[in-house]
Amino acid sequence: GQNIDQPTEMTATEGAIVQINCTYQTSGFNGLFWYQQHAGEAPTFLSYNVLDGLEEKGRFSSFLSRSKGYSYLLLKELQMKDSASYLCAAMDSNYQLIWGAGTKLIIKP
Amino acid sequence: DAMVIQNPRYQVTQFGKPVTLSCSQTLNHNVMYWYQQKSSQAPKLLFHYYDKDFNNEADTPDNFQSRRPNTSFCFLDIRSPGLGDAAMYLCATSRARGTGADTQYFGPGTRLTVL
Repeated sequence: GQNIDQPTEMTATEGAIVQINCTYQTSGFNGLFWYQQHAGEAPTFLSYNVLDGLEEKGRFSSFLSRSKGYSYLLLKELQMKDSASYLCAAMDSNYQLIWGAGTKLIIKP
Repeated sequence: DAMVIQNPRYQVTQFGKPVTLSCSQTLNHNVMYWYQQKSSQAPKLLFHYYDKDFNNEADTPDNFQSRRPNTSFCFLDIRSPGLGDAAMYLCATSRARGTGADTQYFGPGTRLTVL
């Protein structure tokens, strides 16, 4: 079956760095997406990786290893507004997104 | 600004009373999606339209129907809502479906409460 695994919850301190991991098993692979979702709101797009390596976008970076079925989202210089759920989603061979349940990130002062 | 709009943001209905949720987009995207998301769970795809072609997920209950009268609008009809249908309903759009780079953009969602 197809599956996405990511931690349920993580806690970090304002100003620090946090890495949210995601492993995936899909029938075929057409890329991996990360979305941010604040409580009660819709997901907003953060990043897309289809090739191995690190993509950097300001304070956020996303990494992909296709051979390991693994990705992570790296958040630097954490701010209180980064408190949210972070959803990992892999696109399978039918271009369908397989979603994880999200990692709830709690930022403490 | 180009965007995805959902109305209403909050909907309360009674058990068994039909309800319609609406979504509109100014992105001129070809694909529109409806997702159901319950608290702390992954979004669950109900169906999607590629232009006028309707694609139903195999496990979407018959109680859920959809209409897309034109490129800009898409509706979700819940014919007889049950207590288990209380959830956030998310509409999303993408330019196409068939390349990995076709990012989905979401509307703000409609939170449905069933009494």
